[in-house]
Amino acid sequence: GAVVSQHPSWVICKSGTSVKIECRSLDFQATTMFWYRQFPKQSLMLMATSNEGSKATYEQGVEKDKFLINHASLTLSTLTVTSAHPEDSSFYICSPKISSYEQYFGPGTRLTVT
Amino acid sequence: GQNIDQPTEMTATEGAIVQINCTYQTSGFNGLFWYQQHAGEAPTFLSYNVLDGLEEKGRFSSFLSRSKGYSYLLLKELQMKDSASYLCAVRGPVAYSGAGSYQLTFGKGTKLSVIP
Repeated sequence: GAVVSQHPSWVICKSGTSVKIECRSLDFQATTMFWYRQFPKQSLMLMATSNEGSKATYEQGVEKDKFLINHASLTLSTLTVTSAHPEDSSFYICSPKISSYEQYFGPGTRLTVT
Repeated sequence: GQNIDQPTEMTATEGAIVQINCTYQTSGFNGLFWYQQHAGEAPTFLSYNVLDGLEEKGRFSSFLSRSKGYSYLLLKELQMKDSASYLCAVRGPVAYSGAGSYQLTFGKGTKLSVIP
């Protein structure tokens, strides 16, 4: 399968600080990256779709000013959680658009806000 | 919108066969995926169906009936390591163009426990 990496794999931060999560595609170029999050004991929910060189599109209920997405290159997309609060604690996972019959996920970043 | 239903939990015995069902009601259909997710980890891809019928891959098989909005994942020769959550996901409405048609909507997942 496609190789996708995320950094960091886990992070603990204080309320009010910002956290940047990096998603890299290691062996292919991703023009589009999907960002999902998963709260404990719940399923994955799509947050936003980032496109290389253009603005991201956000799902209903996701604040674009709080979750900043940058897709500056074909191999790197970043998600920045600004002014994080405990309710933002979640498992954040990126997924590149590859083909019609494949959809892989990065290893995920577990964010805990204290 | 998309509505995807699958059982919350299932238990099966090591060496047995288990079938996990998934039903969906969608405004459009562009393929159905099954993923395995162990606790604390990201989902890993198991199978993809877009046409009716059975897709077999080793111990795992997945079936799709588009007219019935129904799919199942079949796991044979169960092993203890198969204990995990299994997620059914439907790919976005066909009516969307571009990236929208690649978005996945997930069911809540079925937690499978394999017992000796």
